[in-house]
Amino acid sequence: RKEVEQDPGPFNVPEGATVAFNCTYSNSASQSFFWYRQDCRKEPKLLMSVYSSGNEDGRFTAQLNRASQYISLLIRDSKLSDSATYLCVVNGDNYGQNFVFGPGTRLSVLP
Amino acid sequence: NAGVTQTPKFQVLKTGQSMTLQCAQDMNHNSMYWYRQDPGMGLRLIYYSASEGTTDKGEVPNGYNVSRLNKREFSLRLESAAPSQTSVYFCASSRSFLDEQYFGPGTRLTVT
Repeated sequence: RKEVEQDPGPFNVPEGATVAFNCTYSNSASQSFFWYRQDCRKEPKLLMSVYSSGNEDGRFTAQLNRASQYISLLIRDSKLSDSATYLCVVNGDNYGQNFVFGPGTRLSVLP
Repeated sequence: NAGVTQTPKFQVLKTGQSMTLQCAQDMNHNSMYWYRQDPGMGLRLIYYSASEGTTDKGEVPNGYNVSRLNKREFSLRLESAAPSQTSVYFCASSRSFLDEQYFGPGTRLTVT
């Protein structure tokens, strides 16, 4: 089983749609969780950290379920500028070698 | 405040040549990392430095060496480049190993 798995995608949605991304991780000792976005041929950029109680940043909501080892990202009212690849990242109980990136899910928001 | 900077942005090498990729951060971060990203694959950790004076291997260290020159700078060296090392290389830094990482713009390397 891969350490971090994500929906395979791609997701093609119309502007204004709500879209949800799912991510599962295998290391139950993982301690910190993040969502990054990556535009084509650019570096990954932090979108948001994911906290145990769930957190929201504008149109973006992240949830963590430690018991199920599951992380989600919800994007409401999608914009064209949200088109990117979304990376789930899990950090374990060791040094940086356990900062594991998922393969990513590509989102295209269509006009 | 430039964040994480990398040089060069692009490089073409012939098989067997050597080169050093440079990375610097101005955020006073303790930890620094080198990743490679290949088409259709996720980011893979090459080497990391948890703090100044320490370096450790990541998932794919073969063919690479690193130097943590000081707290700001972390370089990646290819001693004898191979076509399999054609990739995009990203440097990243974080306050500590549990914190979010911030990435440089990447170096696109082609080995012919």
